[in-house]
Amino acid sequence: KNEVEQSPQNLTAQEGEFITINCSYSVGISALHWLQQHPGGGIVSLFMLSSGKKKHGRLIATINIQEKHSSLHITASHPRDSAVYICAVRSDGGSQGNLIFGKGTKLSVKP
Amino acid sequence: DAEITQSPRHKITETGRQVTLACHQTWNHNNMFWYRQDLGHGLRLIHYSYGVQDTNKGEVSDGYSVSRSNTEDLPLTLESAASSQTSVYFCASSPRSNGYEQYFGPGTRLTVT
Repeated sequence: KNEVEQSPQNLTAQEGEFITINCSYSVGISALHWLQQHPGGGIVSLFMLSSGKKKHGRLIATINIQEKHSSLHITASHPRDSAVYICAVRSDGGSQGNLIFGKGTKLSVKP
Repeated sequence: DAEITQSPRHKITETGRQVTLACHQTWNHNNMFWYRQDLGHGLRLIHYSYGVQDTNKGEVSDGYSVSRSNTEDLPLTLESAASSQTSVYFCASSPRSNGYEQYFGPGTRLTVT
């Protein structure tokens, strides 16, 4: 069983819809990261969080440490949000900075 | 501006050849990582380094090696390229503090024929 599971694997939405991507993990963690990979391939960090909630523009990330679950929400989705969203965790028993990655959720937003 | 670069961006090579992929960062980060990305898998760690002269094996290190002679560079060498090593390779770096957020290079697409 993968230590980091994301759902759904693929998601198609209409422009303007509210989107939720989920991430569950099975290890104790010190931090959770949400990353975005655009069709061109580049990977950028969106959020790094260890508790509660963070917001940046139309993106919101939440984490529930007790339930070992995080969600990434996109409000008022736009075609430019089309990308692969990757959840990664830093294990609290692991080496400094090493991450365990989910397989990603491919989001396609149609105009 | 500080950045992380990879070269080449695309490479086609033949089975059995030695290949080196370059990774250079100007963030002055201590930690550097090499990952491969394949369909059906998440990013998988190949090798990592926490500083000059330090290297460590990751989850999928067989057939790969790295060396860290300075802070800025972590070249990845495929000793004898195999078709199973056809993949997209990402280099990343992170500071030793501030939550260890990782910064990724643009990737190198390697095809082994």
